[in-house]
Amino acid sequence: GEQVEQRPPHLSVREGDSAFITCTYTDPNSYYFFWYKQEPGASLQLLMKVFSSTEINEGQGFTVLLNKKDKRLSLNLTAAHPGDSAAYFCAVRTGGYKVVFGSGTRLLVSP
Amino acid sequence: EAAVTQSPRNKVAVTGGKVTLSCNQTNNHNNMYWYRQDTGHGLRLIHYSYGAGSTEKGDIPDGYKASRPSQENFSLILELATPSQTSVYFCASGDAGYAEQFFGPGTRLTVL
Repeated sequence: GEQVEQRPPHLSVREGDSAFITCTYTDPNSYYFFWYKQEPGASLQLLMKVFSSTEINEGQGFTVLLNKKDKRLSLNLTAAHPGDSAAYFCAVRTGGYKVVFGSGTRLLVSP
Repeated sequence: EAAVTQSPRNKVAVTGGKVTLSCNQTNNHNNMYWYRQDTGHGLRLIHYSYGAGSTEKGDIPDGYKASRPSQENFSLILELATPSQTSVYFCASGDAGYAEQFFGPGTRLTVL
């Protein structure tokens, strides 16, 4: 079945720096991809979803890149601030109803 | 506003006891999911359901049962709880296809 590897498991950056998180997956038939944010003690909230073959999506303070050729999904938080401190999870939808999650990246943004 | 709620939010159980975690969704989604979250493992799928009356095994179903009596409700049942089942449990709902999942607030279960 689908395997999703997320790196790094922990990331510490200074306010204003970029934070880059990447996920690689194995199933070439995976077709829909998600990034979730989980603040301490809270549930998961969707950041962005992407599905095109190569896509760059820009949100508020972050960019998501999907490269299906390399089976790689990445999240780049540009100019991170302390409010971005959280756990971030990628998720990959394969056939059917299942979604496979990465193991998460715990991001700490210090002032 | 559409929502997923879970009860209880915190639970302490004894080894060998029966535990039932409940989930309710007002999203009118067909699909519902139970995950557990442990440090270093992300979210792992325990059981899921396509609709009322259906339950399917996820990736780690051993020691767990599920029940979907209605579109809105999905329960996770630990018949004989063990300390290894100490975790945070999340319920989610979603539609098929390209839709994301909507998560409940989580239940922290401690089995002593």
